[in-house]
Amino acid sequence: DIVMTQSPDSLAVSLGERATINCKSSQSLFYDYIKKNYFAWYQLKPRQPPKVLFYWGSTRASGVPDRFRASGSGTDFTLTITSLQAEDVAVYYCQQLHATPYTFGQGTKVEI
Amino acid sequence: QVQLQESGPGLVKPSQTLSLTCTVSGVSISGGDFYWTWVRQPAGKGLEWLGRVYPTGTDYNAFFRSRLTMSLHTSTNEFSLKLTSVSAADTAVYYCTREAVTKNWFDPWGQGTLVIVSS
Repeated sequence: DIVMTQSPDSLAVSLGERATINCKSSQSLFYDYIKKNYFAWYQLKPRQPPKVLFYWGSTRASGVPDRFRASGSGTDFTLTITSLQAEDVAVYYCQQLHATPYTFGQGTKVEI
Repeated sequence: QVQLQESGPGLVKPSQTLSLTCTVSGVSISGGDFYWTWVRQPAGKGLEWLGRVYPTGTDYNAFFRSRLTMSLHTSTNEFSLKLTSVSAADTAVYYCTREAVTKNWFDPWGQGTLVIVSS
């Protein structure tokens, strides 16, 4: 199985400051023939279902504020919240969809 | 607008079978465009992909394969999950979701349903 490792496990950021989450995959998630990474980021808030933020590595999902940025390719990916807002308090998960069983990172809890 | 909603018992006894249904609205599950998927989150832990069902078959997480059955019910536009021989380790919030065959992310998700395994 592909192992996804997120860092840090948690971070506390002041309102308006930057939050950065890293995710490393045990193997490349890049499909050369279609030039895409089979990788996604999700946001999970209490009592709500997960919400996709980015897919194919860095394609922003509909309705996601542009303060959320995603980058990376292959085995190393980053999610950045450029100016943290109160409503961004959540647990963030990375996910590989390169091969089944699809696997998630352990989650990163973002707090104020 | 596509919506998914999980339903089923919130309490299951150890060694028994956990059965959940996901009701889908806004799209037909009988088309071949989507994988219908189950994910769970044990308390205090991360997300686990259990598997997916689609008109031509199923793919299961090997860790659960011997205990897991997923089915499509096209007459009611629902899909289901059965997990046998449950233990406390199967206590979790169970989500149903969808993955487009030509795209690779999960959206939308059901609200999730908490299943507790306890005598």
